[in-house]
Amino acid sequence: QITLKESGPTLVKPTQTLTLTCTFSGFSLSTSGVGVAWIRQPPGKALEWLAIIYWDDDKAYSPSLKSRVSITKDTSKNQVVLTMTDMDPVDTATYYCAHRQDTSVLDYWGQGTLVTVSS
Amino acid sequence: QSVLTQPPSVSGAPGQRVTISCTGSSSNIGTGYDVHWYQLLPGTAPKLLIYANTNRPSGVPDRFSGSKSGTSASLAITGLQPEDEADYFCQSYDNNLRGFVFGTGTKVTVL
Repeated sequence: QITLKESGPTLVKPTQTLTLTCTFSGFSLSTSGVGVAWIRQPPGKALEWLAIIYWDDDKAYSPSLKSRVSITKDTSKNQVVLTMTDMDPVDTATYYCAHRQDTSVLDYWGQGTLVTVSS
Repeated sequence: QSVLTQPPSVSGAPGQRVTISCTGSSSNIGTGYDVHWYQLLPGTAPKLLIYANTNRPSGVPDRFSGSKSGTSASLAITGLQPEDEADYFCQSYDNNLRGFVFGTGTKVTVL
């Protein structure tokens, strides 16, 4: 059974750096074809893909956020970490991590964590 | 900012059929990339409803169906149920952006 859970601060101040951790079980990020993606949803708005890291450590980022976002993995801990710099109130959103296997479908998601950016 | 366009809302009475469109372009749906559909309910993990245009994961009721043609895709819900009231998003991959893209989202209301 595949599960994912996001963790991190619920409140960050403008200009601070956000660090979120996705802890997963039921699969290995060293298995060929596997990836873990980060997606966010501002209140009342659409889902937005942020980044993905693959089993071979290849990474891809949303072009609009590429300068602010970094994604890393710790295969031994079954964790993926998202870092986003220079946070702004417009970055207030629920942040999700999700599992990917071979194709472009994100088949398992975490419940998400709400991050509020406010002074 | 979303690359894929959906109607903001659709509604129907219990038992009726509703459809949600997802319109993309030649750099995503039109170039052959698969379309997937997700259901979002408050406080719960997003749920995969349809993958690779027409396929239902195990456990998803058969009243949900998907189709794709050209640069668009559609999700149909037949025999609408009260528990289907939720937000729905389509998703694909985009060549130009080299990444995943989502639709603008559609809120389904059961009257």
